[in-house]
Amino acid sequence: RKEVEQDPGPFNVPEGATVAFNCTYSNSASQSFFWYRQDCRKEPKLLMSVYSSGNEDGRFTAQLNRASQYISLLIRDSKLSDSATYLCVVNSYTNAGKSTFGDGTTLTVKP
Amino acid sequence: DADVTQTPRNRITKTGKRIMLECSQTKGHDRMYWYRQDPGLGLRLIYYSFDVKDINKGEISDGYSVSRQAQAKFSLSLESAIPNQTALYFCATSDSPGQGATNEKLFFGSGTQLSVL
Repeated sequence: RKEVEQDPGPFNVPEGATVAFNCTYSNSASQSFFWYRQDCRKEPKLLMSVYSSGNEDGRFTAQLNRASQYISLLIRDSKLSDSATYLCVVNSYTNAGKSTFGDGTTLTVKP
Repeated sequence: DADVTQTPRNRITKTGKRIMLECSQTKGHDRMYWYRQDPGLGLRLIYYSFDVKDINKGEISDGYSVSRQAQAKFSLSLESAIPNQTALYFCATSDSPGQGATNEKLFFGSGTQLSVL
C-alpha cells in the first residue's frame, strides 16, 4: 500500500461545478499536510496548507480528518484555469520530515 | 529571476553517458532535494541535503549521486545513464523548520526533462 493515496481521476467537470478530491495517508505520525497544483510538465506549486481546523482560500477549501487519516480539497465554482493535477503531500517526523507525494488527481474543467 | 534554477531544461543523451543536472537557489534555504517524476506518477525522492555537509539517500537513489557544493548549489549526477532514467527531474528547496515542526513548504525549479536513448 502506498503511503499517500489519491483518486487518480481524471475528473472532468463543467465550468461552475463543485468538485472534491480525497487523499488518504497511512502514517499516523504525519504532521503536516499540503495540496500542490501541477500544470502539465511544469513544476508543482503550493496551493494550500491543510490545518486541523480546516481552512479556506477563496473557492478552495481543505479539510483534515486525523482519525480517518485523510485530507480533502474542495473546489467551488470551477474555472477553466483550475484544470491541472492536484498533488497531496504529507510530512512526518518518522520520515525525517521529508515530503511524501501522492500520484496526483487530474482535473479538467470544460466550458 | 527564478528563485530555484535548474539547468539544463532539456537533455537528450545516450545510454552509458555521464550526465550532470544542476540546481541553484537564491532563497537562502538550507534544505535541497532532487525528485524525479514519471508520467502519471507523483514525485519520488532521489537525494536530499539538509545543509552543506549533509547528504542523504531518498527512496530511489540507485544509479544517482549528488554534490552539495554550497548552500545555494546542489547537483545531481547520473554516472552511466540508462533508458529507465528517462524522466522529469525537479530540484526543490525548503526552509529549516522551527523547533517541533516538520519541514515546511517546498519550492521547485522548472524541471529538467531528461531522455536517455
